[in-house]
Amino acid sequence: GAVVSQHPSRVICKSGTSVKIECRSLDFQATTMFWYRQFPKKSLMLMATSNEGSKATYEQGVEKDKFLINHASLTLSTLTVTSAHPEDSSFYICSAMGAAGGPDSYEQYFGPGTRLTVT
Amino acid sequence: GQNIDQPTEMTATEGAIVQINCTYQTSGFNGLFWYQQHAGEAPTFLSYNVLDGLEEKGRFSSFLSRSKGYSYLLLKELQMKDSASYLCAPSDSNYQLIWGAGTKLIIKP
Repeated sequence: GAVVSQHPSRVICKSGTSVKIECRSLDFQATTMFWYRQFPKKSLMLMATSNEGSKATYEQGVEKDKFLINHASLTLSTLTVTSAHPEDSSFYICSAMGAAGGPDSYEQYFGPGTRLTVT
Repeated sequence: GQNIDQPTEMTATEGAIVQINCTYQTSGFNGLFWYQQHAGEAPTFLSYNVLDGLEEKGRFSSFLSRSKGYSYLLLKELQMKDSASYLCAPSDSNYQLIWGAGTKLIIKP
């Protein structure tokens, strides 16, 4: 199956700083990427959907000025958590989907996730 | 609204068979996925059903009934490594996955 990578896998930052998380599709072109966060023992919560070359669509309750998403190419999307606070500590997971009608179009391929801890 | 219903937790014995049920309600439907998620890790793909019936893949099988809004994941010859959460995720009219909290499966020797 297709491979999606995330970097970093773990990051610890101080309150008030910004953190960037990268999501890359390694062997296919991801026209759509999704960003999720997950609290311990809770379900995945969709934060936003990004399509290459256009602005991300944020879910209700997700602050777009705090969680900046950029999907500049067909293989890379980034999530920047700005002015991070301890309550932003969570497991952030990206997934990628290929172009409609293509071989990677129906399944979301998940990255390994990024564990963010804000102190 | 959109809703997923799965048992919160199930326990089974190594070597046995377990069936995890899922009922769902979505705005439109573009197939249903089952994912496995070990603690602290991202979900991994298990199966995808878009038509009614049973899809078999090794020890795992998944069934779908679109008219009933029902699916199940069947795990055979259970192994200790199968202890994980199993997530049923239907895809809605916008191809977005709808997530529930999943079913935590505990395998005992």
